[in-house]
Amino acid sequence: DVKVTQSSRYLVKRTGEKVFLECVQDMDHENMFWYRQDPGLGLRLIYFSYDVKMKEKGDIPEGYSVSREKKERFSLILESASTNQTSMYLCASRLGGAIGVSGYTFGSGTRLTVV
Amino acid sequence: DAKTTQPPSMDCAEGRAANLPCNHSTISGNEYVYWYRQIHSQGPQYIIHGLKNNETNEMASLIITEDRKSSTLILPHATLRDTAVYYCIVRNTGNQFYFGTGTSLTVIP
Repeated sequence: DVKVTQSSRYLVKRTGEKVFLECVQDMDHENMFWYRQDPGLGLRLIYFSYDVKMKEKGDIPEGYSVSREKKERFSLILESASTNQTSMYLCASRLGGAIGVSGYTFGSGTRLTVV
Repeated sequence: DAKTTQPPSMDCAEGRAANLPCNHSTISGNEYVYWYRQIHSQGPQYIIHGLKNNETNEMASLIITEDRKSSTLILPHATLRDTAVYYCIVRNTGNQFYFGTGTSLTVIP
């Protein structure tokens, strides 16, 4: 089974801190994604990557950046954390190839609180 | 962009079939319909997907209308552990998934 591992289950950070959320997948998937989930808003796409060193903005990229130096690892970076970035962050990966055919595998999520 | 519309919440009695509807009237011909569910405090979990034909696996059945503008996820014998938020998804442009807010299913003892 594909496994997507997010390094932290819970994080508490201070306003203004630089925050790194790490995600690792073990099945050689090309595509990786970062979502945030907030009550009443569902899952919203922040950034995604089709391959190593590639990145694309999702629907809400402001205040975030990403890094994909290795195929298995996709990092989400909050350059200067703010309280409105308190949220559940979900990482997902997907085998590349034919559009729409293969689904996503999600990690368990990181619940980030910015105080 | 193909989007989906789902009722915000549903109840189902334990042991009964749960039928979760989804409208995707702007779906294009080569877009698959996916269903995921999310149990509280966990990441979404894949259930089933389909293109045109009805599909069945060990978790659920997926019924897609002939015009492909809507589909229904069927959990044949709902259990308390099926209480979750269910997402019906089609591909967004750029090969991403648009999740929406899903249907919160509560299975009642």
